[in-house]
Amino acid sequence: EPEVTQTPSHQVTQMGQEVILRCVPISNHLYFYWYRQILGQKVEFLVSFYNNEISEKSEIFDDQFSVERPDGSNFTLKIRSTKLEDSAMYFCASIPQGAAYEQYFGPGTRLTVT
Amino acid sequence: EDQVTQSPEALRLQEGESSSLNCSYTVSGLRGLFWYRQDPGKGPEFLFTLYSAGEEKEKERLKATLTKKESFLHITAPKPEDSATYLCAVQGLLGGSEKLVFGKGTKLTVNP
Repeated sequence: EPEVTQTPSHQVTQMGQEVILRCVPISNHLYFYWYRQILGQKVEFLVSFYNNEISEKSEIFDDQFSVERPDGSNFTLKIRSTKLEDSAMYFCASIPQGAAYEQYFGPGTRLTVT
Repeated sequence: EDQVTQSPEALRLQEGESSSLNCSYTVSGLRGLFWYRQDPGKGPEFLFTLYSAGEEKEKERLKATLTKKESFLHITAPKPEDSATYLCAVQGLLGGSEKLVFGKGTKLTVNP
């Protein structure tokens, strides 16, 4: 069964640096999402993306964050100037074309900001 | 604002000892309630979607049920490999939102 993949699995960066997290959704999926999970806390919605546009974003998703699908396959989340509080697991999710509402999650990228 | 509360926070069972996990929710119109399993350091793994009160779904030792205010995940004769954190999430109808709102999860440990 095809899976959502994410790279890197672990990223360590210094405060103020830019990071790009990458996701390869399952090939026929059309709806894409980013979530994050701070250690010991709930999984939180960041943004949804459909037809090359942001369809919804949360309060967390401020001007420091951006998403794009540069080549029709990879789906990226960029954090422009990282803060200590950005340290978290970041999950990409997607929904297959024609499916109901089940979001399938990738394995996550653990971001550590020092 | 949509909210999900899961109980208990942690549950320790002996192998074969059946039990239930609870997910209480408030949502402005329910599109769907979702159960996921999460292993340490991994992404949530989809288990079930429930759409309307009275609906039930089963998968191996797991059975999910739904009422208008809560959902239960029943685990029958669990095995050690069922040990994981079980997450409940809701998706509301308001404004066509697609986001999942998660609870904190129930950490299940099944001892052999």
